[in-house]
Amino acid sequence: GQNIDQPTEMTATEGAIVQINCTYQTSGFNGLFWYQQHAGEAPTFLSYNVLDGLEEKGRFSSFLSRSKGYSYLLLKELQMKDSASYLCAVIDSNYQLIWGAGTKLIIKP
Amino acid sequence: GAVVSQHPSWVICKSGTSVKIECRSLDFQATTMFWYRQFPKQSLMLMATSNEGSKATYEQGVEKDKFLINHASLTLSTLTVTSAHPEDSSFYICSAKGGGADIQPQHFGDGTRLSIL
Repeated sequence: GQNIDQPTEMTATEGAIVQINCTYQTSGFNGLFWYQQHAGEAPTFLSYNVLDGLEEKGRFSSFLSRSKGYSYLLLKELQMKDSASYLCAVIDSNYQLIWGAGTKLIIKP
Repeated sequence: GAVVSQHPSWVICKSGTSVKIECRSLDFQATTMFWYRQFPKQSLMLMATSNEGSKATYEQGVEKDKFLINHASLTLSTLTVTSAHPEDSSFYICSAKGGGADIQPQHFGDGTRLSIL
């Protein structure tokens, strides 16, 4: 079966750095997305990785290792507004998007 | 760029009413649109995928006669919840992605919160 694993919940301190991990077992791989979803709102696109390595976009970076079936989202200089759920999603060989359950990130002052 | 508009944001109606939700891509042509449902504190659940001009593909367990999807143009898809009941109350979210050779991310509308009394 297809499976994406993320921690259910994480807590971090304002101004700090946090890394949210995602591991996947899918039938094929055509890319991995990270989305942010604030409570009661729709998801917003953060990043896309298809090749191994780190993609940096401001305070957010996303890393991919295809051989390990592993990705992480790194958030630096955390702000209170970063409190949200972070969703990992993988495109499989049929170009279907498989969603993880999301990681709820709680930022404390 | 890549703006998706979803309307209405909120619907409150009586049991037995049919409700129509619109999803529009404002600045790109959406070859594929997706409809999701999300219950409180739960994951996104894909309901169906629709390609412009063809019938929607429904996920297992989703009643196609209950949730009617129309994707008549490259910028508009509609979801109609027919004869809605309280158990249909949920957060419905559409997303759209463009075509082309490259893999495109899905861009989401703001969602529709449906409450059936």
